[in-house]
Amino acid sequence: QVQLVQSGAEVKKPGASVKVSCKTSGYSLTSAGLSWVRQAPGQGLEWVGWISEHNGDTDTAQKFQGRVTMTTDSSTRTAYMDLRSLKSDDTAVYYCASSYCNVGRCFPPGSDFWGQGTLVTVSS
Amino acid sequence: DIQMTQSPSTLTASVGDRVTITCRASQSISNWLAWYRHEPGKTPKLLISESSRLESGVPSRFSGSGSGTEFTLTITSLQPDDFATYFCQQYQTYEWTFGQGTTVEIK
Repeated sequence: QVQLVQSGAEVKKPGASVKVSCKTSGYSLTSAGLSWVRQAPGQGLEWVGWISEHNGDTDTAQKFQGRVTMTTDSSTRTAYMDLRSLKSDDTAVYYCASSYCNVGRCFPPGSDFWGQGTLVTVSS
Repeated sequence: DIQMTQSPSTLTASVGDRVTITCRASQSISNWLAWYRHEPGKTPKLLISESSRLESGVPSRFSGSGSGTEFTLTITSLQPDDFATYFCQQYQTYEWTFGQGTTVEIK
């Protein structure tokens, strides 16, 4: 049974950091990539970045470069997204999603391959 | 970055109607386009990948078409369960981008 289980909701002050986890199970890590996507209130989905669950390669959206670090712990099959210097417009639900990645792209995740979402609220 | 422009943002229709949602890419993405349904508090549900490939279990009233920069999602004979938000996603590269979403509302 495929599962991606994310950590719980967080409330942070501007300037702080948040680390969201995503524990995966039930599927092979070969050629798997873990993408992070967020949805701010009333907004569409926004890609944050991607990490290979196989070898740790990463790619980050330009607007988040220098502010986000994505890591994986293969022993526990847990991925982490660390977002620093939080601003109020970082308030969003953050999702992890796993999919097959190859030849320069990650394919869209099936419905079972999404985490449940983590609400991060940034407020003074 | 590849920009995705989705229209309309809201669509009001009746049960039984045929509806069409459009996504336009800022550059060619071949057929690397997916369509999802998304409801508040739930994870996105993949409906169509590679522009026109229906995912397993998705009703045949859903169909996708297009290539290059113009894509459409069509729902024939809208059902009560279909009133939700739909969005497109390009996956030409690792860097995904999404349309802003279309909310299908009941007339």
